[in-house]
Amino acid sequence: DAKTTQPPSMDCAEGRAANLPCNHSTISGNEYVYWYRQIHSQGPQYIIHGLKNNETNEMASLIITEDRKSSTLILPHATLRDTAVYYCIVRVGTSGTYKYIFGTGTRLKVLA
Amino acid sequence: DTAVSQTPKYLVTQMGNDKSIKCEQNLGHDTMYWYKQDSKKFLKIMFSYNNKELIINETVPNRFSPKSPDKAHLNLHINSLELGDSAVYFCASSPAGITNEKLFFGSGTQLSVL
Repeated sequence: DAKTTQPPSMDCAEGRAANLPCNHSTISGNEYVYWYRQIHSQGPQYIIHGLKNNETNEMASLIITEDRKSSTLILPHATLRDTAVYYCIVRVGTSGTYKYIFGTGTRLKVLA
Repeated sequence: DTAVSQTPKYLVTQMGNDKSIKCEQNLGHDTMYWYKQDSKKFLKIMFSYNNKELIINETVPNRFSPKSPDKAHLNLHINSLELGDSAVYFCASSPAGITNEKLFFGSGTQLSVL
């Protein structure tokens, strides 16, 4: 029941912005989009989430299209430590019963 | 002071054995999850519990039995282990009823079935 599709891999030059796309064309009106990343085989780490407005925090920005069928995670100044697998996730359900459905992930490689 | 901790970190065992993985969270969260990550890094939800009650069971074989003795613990017991059970298993927790609900993951248990 995958709800998101992502490119399998991307490269980005160090210091440049990394733009990671995600398609979620079957998303419903109350389902949030989350982004996590996994460095090596550590546990996935939260980056950002949003519903329909664009969001920004100290790690990244999330741009969600007006029709909510796709989104882009932006790492404004990628560093070597941002090399990781980035997962786009749709959260379905209600509080206490949420299911976070992971996409297949994009392996981002930041190049020196 | 690890928020979500899993033990053991590595587990190597023979086919047919029974094993358990333990998970504890000290964040006071109401909801806990088990995810399975296969060799292609795909993360799939297995179970979720809310205040010790089973909420999600994603057509996991009944050889897998989660147990939640209290809301801070969610253990995973696996009977009659098979080669295909080899994977990394992640425990996660989440608060309920707040605006910024999100998952907090443990560091994973790498299970190898020989």
